Amino acid sequence: GAVVSQHPSRVICKSGTSVKIECRSLDFQATTMFWYRQFPKQSLMLMATSNEGSKATYEQGVEKDKFLINHASLTLSTLTVTSAHPEDSSFYICSARLGALPDTQYFGPGTRLTVL
Amino acid sequence: DAKTTQPTSMDCAEGRAANLPCNHSTISGNEYVYWYRQIHSQGPQYIIHGLKNNETNEMASLIITEARKSSTLILPHATLRDTAVYYCIVRPATSGTYKYIFGTGTRLKVLA
Repeated sequence: GAVVSQHPSRVICKSGTSVKIECRSLDFQATTMFWYRQFPKQSLMLMATSNEGSKATYEQGVEKDKFLINHASLTLSTLTVTSAHPEDSSFYICSARLGALPDTQYFGPGTRLTVL
Repeated sequence: DAKTTQPTSMDCAEGRAANLPCNHSTISGNEYVYWYRQIHSQGPQYIIHGLKNNETNEMASLIITEARKSSTLILPHATLRDTAVYYCIVRPATSGTYKYIFGTGTRLKVLA
């Protein structure tokens, strides 16, 4: 149980285009999902917290207009990287919170974004 | 900043127990200790968590010191597939604070 999927697993796009990444909790409902970014040889950095039916909460330094987050249902959150640039190339990982205490997070497999 | 400190890297012989330490000296009474691991180019995988008592599941054992200022994750018979970065995280169990703050973790290499 507690499986989280991401789509696509990898994407290559041209500079200036937008890319949407989907995160789904497959066998549980998640009122809260999280988006992380990870650069090579570095740890995961939390970008934003996504709550179903409300606006996402962004961490300091993360541009909300560039990284659009939508959490329209209890099993789906999307991250859209708008007007992508090469510096946005990274490994993007989502997680979903299994609501029963103590609120364990389960992670997706990640999406590798390369912006040319 | 992460509330945990871990050694940067460790080696372990295949078949032997891997003991990964974590220091969380500022942990408070309602905070759980979680362990995850991340195999190269994958998302983190949940391993185990605990509050006060030692815990064991099919993947590992978690030993938490009596004062809760440190813990050790034990992989009883390490295999090559256990090579990964292991993260120790502390976070409150109460509602309203769900964020995980990842430190640098321990890069475990299991040697044949």
